[in-house]
Formats: sequence, C-alpha cells, structure tokens
Amino acid sequence: KAGVTQTPRYLIKTRGQQVTLSCSPISGHRSVSWYQQTPGQGLQFLFEYFSETQRNKGNFPGRFSGRQFSNSRSEMNVSTLELGDSALYLCASSGQADTQYFGPGTRLTVL
Amino acid sequence: GNSVTQMEGPVTLSEEAFLTINCTYTATGYPSLFWYVQYPGEGLQLLLKATKADDKGSNKGFEATYRKETTSFHLEKGSVQVSDSAVYFCALRRSGGSYIPTFGRGTSLIVHP
Repeated sequence: KAGVTQTPRYLIKTRGQQVTLSCSPISGHRSVSWYQQTPGQGLQFLFEYFSETQRNKGNFPGRFSGRQFSNSRSEMNVSTLELGDSALYLCASSGQADTQYFGPGTRLTVL
Repeated sequence: GNSVTQMEGPVTLSEEAFLTINCTYTATGYPSLFWYVQYPGEGLQLLLKATKADDKGSNKGFEATYRKETTSFHLEKGSVQVSDSAVYFCALRRSGGSYIPTFGRGTSLIVHP
C-alpha cells in the first residue's frame, strides 16, 4: 500500500497570505488528522476528519481550517499567515484501529 | 486532561550501549500507547504500540511494556546503533474518535560510533 502523501513538501509565503496544504491518506483509511510541529511547542494537534466530518479539534485559532473530501483526501487552509505559523505540518491517517500513519510533512516558511 | 511526559533530551550514548527513554502518561479510560520515531527532515514513523495493560510492543530491537500500575511505557533497546539517532515520541490515543491523540515533547537520541 502506498503511504500517506502530502503536497507540497516545501512552501514559502509572506505574512498576510493564505495557504492550502493537501494530504492523501492510505487507501481505505477514513480518518485524517493534522498536526503542527515547531521546535518550541512540539507536536500540536490541529484537527481530525472522519468521513468528511470534523471529529476532533485542537486549540488553534479560526484561521486554521480544514476539510475532507469523499475520497478521504484532506486539505488544510491557513488564512492571514503570521510569522509564527512557520512550522512542519504533518498529516496522519488511520483505519479501523487507532494507529496513525504519518506523511512526510509540508515545511511552511512565512516571511 | 490527557498528557504524556517524556524525559528531557538529548540522550547521548555510545554505540552498543543500553537505551532507556522514560515515558509516563495521564489519561482517562484505557488508551493505546505508541512510540514513534522521527528522522531528520522526515515525518513520524510508528515504531511500536501496545493496546492494553501488560502488553509488550517490540520492533527493530526496541521494546516497551504497557504498565498501568505505574502509568508508564518506557522505551528500551539493548544495543543502540548510530542509525538509531533520531527523535522519539511517546503518544497515547484511544480508538472510537473521542480521544484527541496526545504526544510527548520528544526525546532526541544521539549515538556516537
């Protein structure tokens, strides 16, 4: 089975812009979760989608949003980018069991 | 709320030394416990898991036992290699969708030849 894929791998944006990141889960997995990883805060949970519905949400401002499509692919959007949004954004998918499988991440740099 | 506490790093060892990375947790119910590893520039990879008390997860020479009485899931390896140098994350989660996954801060391991 192909693993979790994320696009793009690297992204550079300027403050105030918006960005959309994409994640394709492992075939058959219906749950997709997003995380933000920074040296200062570690790995922080953003949200989880299951069958196109947001099932869990972390403690992030409304500038961070996501969605999931009928084929389980997911997108994450960040509007009005701030310098502090620079991070590695990780996507993870899971199937029936509770094990999450992570993608390689998208490295976002905000200038 | 739920939490995972890992020992601070970096942990620096010589090749073939014994490794222990401590992990303790606080959670309601009966979570599954995980160890993930992250190599530089990559995402997290599942290393091992345990789903109930006294279960032992093992993979690639690494082991961890789910200790409910001490709420711990310490990672061990008998003989580390330079290629084990990475960041290790302890995590918990319960299936069913009502449990937000919780990760520790990560422990950096550096193995010298």
